[in-house]
This record gives sequence, structure tokens and C-alpha cells, in this order.
Amino acid sequence: NAGVTQTPKFQVLKTGQSMTLQCAQDMNHEYMSWYRQDPGMGLRLIHYSVGAGITDQGEVPNGYNVSRSTTEDFPLRLLSAAPSQTSVYFCASSDRAWNSPLHFGNGTRLTVT
Amino acid sequence: GENVEQHPSTLSVQEGDSAVIKCTYSDSASNYFPWYKQELGKRPQLIIDIRSNVGEKKDQRIAVTLNKTAKHFSLHITETQPEDSAVYFCAASISGNQFYFGTGTSLTVIP
Repeated sequence: NAGVTQTPKFQVLKTGQSMTLQCAQDMNHEYMSWYRQDPGMGLRLIHYSVGAGITDQGEVPNGYNVSRSTTEDFPLRLLSAAPSQTSVYFCASSDRAWNSPLHFGNGTRLTVT
Repeated sequence: GENVEQHPSTLSVQEGDSAVIKCTYSDSASNYFPWYKQELGKRPQLIIDIRSNVGEKKDQRIAVTLNKTAKHFSLHITETQPEDSAVYFCAASISGNQFYFGTGTSLTVIP
């Protein structure tokens, strides 16, 4: 199993550009989520999904869109990139069982200039 | 939503000493509390977790305690080693959904 795979690893965008961060998992996990990690702020939940066709907002959803058309994939879209979105983004999944932890991808480091 | 507070933000200990990191949570419905270790430039990885029906759990040098009444849980690392140096995050979850994280503790073990 590859686990949770994120692409790309690094990305530089100009203000106003759009892009999609890809996330795929091969563990048949129902729950998938996106976090951003900023210094001193910990991991903040952007959006999450409890199954195909179902998404919901987390703590910091503004400026981001998600969709969940399949169990495996959960892409994160930046509609119009802003410097405030410079961060490290992590995708994570879980099988939603009561005793199931999050499994993280390797992260995407995004810089918006 | 859930609010998880974590202290201290930085912690330095001598090799062989113990380290304790504390977290509090706000939502009494939270019932699953994992701890993650993140090395520089790497992804967070689970080191130990505890469910709300358990008060304490131990795995070799690492232990976690939970006080549901006080909404408080702690990570204890004994006999610290230089390879324990990393950032540690606590988290709270309601039945495996919407994991909320603390702001992290940067642990440095001094040889």
C-alpha cells in the first residue's frame, strides 16, 4: 500500500493564479481531510469528507474548494491564490472507526508570491 | 467547534530526563485523543493514542493519561533520547471525525 499520496511536493504560484493539490489514498478510508500547517499555528482543518459525494468545511475553509467524487481522491483547489495561503498542506485519511488515527501524506509546500 | 490547547510550546530536557506535554480540550463529546510526532520536513506520525474509556496507556517509554472530567490529557516521555527531539502534536476527535490539533510542542533533548 502506498498510503496517502500527495502531489506536487513543492509549488510556487503568483497571486491570483489557481491550482489543485492532489490527494489519493489506497486504504479504502471513508474519511479524508486537508490541513494547513503554519509556524506556531499547528495543523488547522480546511475541509473534510466522510465519504464520496460528501464534503464539509473545517476551521479555515475560505479560499479553498474540495470535491469527493471517489473514495480514493480528495483534491483541494485554490481558486485565486493569495500570499496568506503560503503554507504546508497535508492531506490525511482515516477509516472513521472509533479507534482509527489519521494517516498523513508527505505534504505540499506552497509559496504564493 | 473543538478547541485544543497545548503547553508548553517549547521544551528542553537533558538526555535521560522525562518530558511532559499537556493538552486541554473543550468539547465533552471528544472521545479519541492521538499524539503525533513530526520531525523536521516530515509528515506527522502517530506515536500513541487513547480512547475516552481508558485513563492511561503506555508503550515502552511513552505514556498518555486522560482526565475526562477535567478535559485534560498528557504525554509523558521517560528516559529521553536525542532522537526524541521533534515537534509533538496532540489532537482530539469525535468518533474519528474532525480531528482538531494543538499548536505543537517543540521538544529538544540535549545530549
